[in-house]
Amino acid sequence: EIVMTQSPATLSVSPGERVTLSCRASQSVSSRLAWFQQKPGQAPRLLIYGASTRATDIPARFSGSGSGTEFSLTISSLQSEDFAVYYCQQYSNWPLTFGGGTKVEIK
Amino acid sequence: VQVLESGGGLVQPGGSLRLSCAASGFTFSDYAMTWVRQAPGRGLEWVSSISGGGGVSYSADSVKDRFTISRDSSNNTLYLQMNSLRAEDTAVYYCAKGRMGSWLTENWGQGTLVTVSS
Repeated sequence: EIVMTQSPATLSVSPGERVTLSCRASQSVSSRLAWFQQKPGQAPRLLIYGASTRATDIPARFSGSGSGTEFSLTISSLQSEDFAVYYCQQYSNWPLTFGGGTKVEIK
Repeated sequence: VQVLESGGGLVQPGGSLRLSCAASGFTFSDYAMTWVRQAPGRGLEWVSSISGGGGVSYSADSVKDRFTISRDSSNNTLYLQMNSLRAEDTAVYYCAKGRMGSWLTENWGQGTLVTVSS
């Protein structure tokens, strides 16, 4: 099983700041890496797939990078609606696995 | 595109429950479908996936031999038959549509809560 490790667990930031979230895979997943955003009481929403491709209707301030085992999600200028929990997921191998999540909270 | 889960509720340990996911707005048989769960206050856990044609499926070890994923293209519905339920199966269960040609989960429903308790 591929273990996905996200860091940090919590990030306290101010609106307008640039933030970078990290995700590491225990073995290579090539570019089969997705990022999801989840707000309280809501279903997860796909942000990024293929490590760097934005999903439909996702604002350009969200960007993803990386391949193999090291990945990152960057939000260029944090908006109030971006405070949420972010999960990475690999879809390269079975079982599909998620990281433990990074909570982005207001500083 | 819409996927809508139903069938959740309170069930005793050892009991059974069948979840349904009604799909609309896309050609159901063209897309893989997946169940993902989230225990209260916890992260996301993949449960099971099935191919568009229904001939290929995968399940997490934690539910293998207890849960069965299936689909019915005649009524555009995905199912999850859950048997021998345990307290640790308590979670919100999400249904998700795959992206064309991929197991990636693209569109998610709002989820249905399953509570296993005596």
